[in-house]
Amino acid sequence: AQTVTQSQPEMSVQEAETVTLSCTYDTSENNYYLFWYKQPPSRQMILVIRQEAYKQQNATENRFSVNFQKAAKSFSLKISDSQLGDTAMYFCAFMKPGNFNKFYFGSGTKLNVKP
Amino acid sequence: SAVISQKPSRDICQRGTSLTIQCQVDSQVTMMFWYRQQPGQSLTLIATANQGSEATYESGFVIDKFPISRPNLTFSTLTVSNMSPEDSSIYLCSVELALAGAPTGELFFGEGSRLTVL
Repeated sequence: AQTVTQSQPEMSVQEAETVTLSCTYDTSENNYYLFWYKQPPSRQMILVIRQEAYKQQNATENRFSVNFQKAAKSFSLKISDSQLGDTAMYFCAFMKPGNFNKFYFGSGTKLNVKP
Repeated sequence: SAVISQKPSRDICQRGTSLTIQCQVDSQVTMMFWYRQQPGQSLTLIATANQGSEATYESGFVIDKFPISRPNLTFSTLTVSNMSPEDSSIYLCSVELALAGAPTGELFFGEGSRLTVL
């Protein structure tokens, strides 16, 4: 079975600074996808960024980028120029393609952006 | 994208009762997923609902406790049966975005239904 581990239950960062959230996973699969989801206090989960395992290039979305280390099974999220609206729970997720795509989520990291 | 509406958004229930949560999607989707998120914890998949067939349940979840209906491609319900305080949780409906019929791996979530069982 796949497991996703987020070792930082809570983190804080000053507005405009950079923060990195860690995620490791365990799998024997070679073809898979990794995601970071954000859950603001309003509770609706939204996708931040995705990475296909077969791509060596790290995904970026504006201020959000990942450091994907396939051999180390590591998938960290870097948030640059942190904004107050980035305050949320962040979940790392692993997806194994199949008859239906099955997602596995980490325990989450609560990020507080301080003014 | 997909817009997902869940009802109720929250409810307080008595032990031993059952509650049905509704999930409406603004587009047709093949698979709908039901997750549970206990306070301060991550998301756990309860089951996958495919239109026209029985739901597929994950280990630790059974149909008698969490019956699911999927009458069409835009709607699903999850019932939490014979509730106990341990069932207090947020229940989330989710769908996967598809492009040209191919799954993308991107999940969209409803806002969740927060159940408190007394």
